[in-house]
Amino acid sequence: AQKITQTQPGMFVQEKEAVTLDCTYDTSDQSYGLFWYKQPSSGEMIFLIYQGSYDEQNATEGRYSLNFQKARKSANLVISASQLGDSAMYFCAMREGNSGNTPLVFGKGTRLSVIA
Amino acid sequence: GAVVSQHPSWVICKSGTSVKIECRSLDFQATTMFWYRQFPKQSLMLMATSNEGSKATYEQGVEKDKFLINHASLTLSTLTVTSAHPEDSSFYICSARAKTGGISNSPLHFGNGTRLTVT
Repeated sequence: AQKITQTQPGMFVQEKEAVTLDCTYDTSDQSYGLFWYKQPSSGEMIFLIYQGSYDEQNATEGRYSLNFQKARKSANLVISASQLGDSAMYFCAMREGNSGNTPLVFGKGTRLSVIA
Repeated sequence: GAVVSQHPSWVICKSGTSVKIECRSLDFQATTMFWYRQFPKQSLMLMATSNEGSKATYEQGVEKDKFLINHASLTLSTLTVTSAHPEDSSFYICSARAKTGGISNSPLHFGNGTRLTVT
């Protein structure tokens, strides 16, 4: 079974509008972390936002917020006031457990295109 | 912030040759680094976990004799693709975690990746 599921291969959003990128996850661990990364066409992976399994409040970082619904095992990324520079691939990822030696498992990604 | 430097950023080599990719943590020590591979329009797939001073741990299906990993210091891990073939052409990207605050919320910091083309 896939650990991270991103069901939207591609999304379009009008500039200045908000957009939600979906992510669901599967784990039996009680302690885990959820991450979102942005990958522009140049290839680098840019860390956007983190949500811990024990965090009671949704994480926010500037225009990025994470809609964390633990019971549904979803961790959707919300980008507000979209900008043309937001056009990129977006990956949801999970780390199970609490060890620094645990890698991230990535979803298949969503390609976001911001339209002027 | 934590910076991971990866070199080279792109390389073209002939089939049968070997290619070495370096991954350095510039401003932090990384006892563990992770190597991922990304085929076009696909996700990042973990290849191996590189541990300083010990053998790397490879994911199922990844040939350890083909993808040699050396993590000789706390700031450097190398991936050598031996006897490269066209099917090895891919985007290879390394990552490491800086121990800031609690480990649980430390993101992986990625190098800029290496685009390998084997002709």
